[in-house]
Amino acid sequence: SAVISQKPSRDICQRGTSLTIQCQVDSQVTMMFWYRQQPGQSLTLIATANQGSEATYESGFVIDKFPISRPNLTFSTLTVSNMSPEDSSIYLCSVGRGAEQYFGPGTRLTVT
Amino acid sequence: GQQVMQIPQYQHVQEGEDFTTYCNSSTTLSNIQWYKQRPGGHPVFLIQLVKSGEVKKQKRLTFQFGEAKKNSSLHITATQTTDVGTYFCAVTGKTSYDKVIFGPGTSLSVIP
Repeated sequence: SAVISQKPSRDICQRGTSLTIQCQVDSQVTMMFWYRQQPGQSLTLIATANQGSEATYESGFVIDKFPISRPNLTFSTLTVSNMSPEDSSIYLCSVGRGAEQYFGPGTRLTVT
Repeated sequence: GQQVMQIPQYQHVQEGEDFTTYCNSSTTLSNIQWYKQRPGGHPVFLIQLVKSGEVKKQKRLTFQFGEAKKNSSLHITATQTTDVGTYFCAVTGKTSYDKVIFGPGTSLSVIP
């Protein structure tokens, strides 16, 4: 299994500002994944973060808006930049361990 | 990329009734995963199916992978209030390095 923590658990931010979300895993992993879950919706993959290289972004997501860092094999950050109310979502990080995908508890972001 | 659809979107059942959610793809899948997300929680991995026609059981839950590997189902026998949540099917590659793409989910409500 994998134990994943995220900080902050929730935040209320003003439009135009940025928020950095941290994800910490209890053991080393090659890939970390960042998802967004808008209210009442499914999970949408934002990007895949591989340690030592630039993150790979899914269609509709760009590095300028969602810069990701992956400084080591147990940690990653996702920044939501220049926020607007449409960015209000839950942001989750996840890792794969064998066939299973484990998720952090999520960061609930509200942009006013 | 691979996409899956799920039906129904919502299901309300009386406690003790059975429940089934279906996951369908227009293309052949390498595998299918199922997750459960309780209200306010994060997705939790339930199972992965890999083989054509595979059937797996977990207590009251029965998972099936179609012969053509284009569809899957999750059946819950005699639902309980603890079954409340959203059930997602998801597709991924063959390794833990591969991203996981989620279906839209089926939200289950159980009326006591």
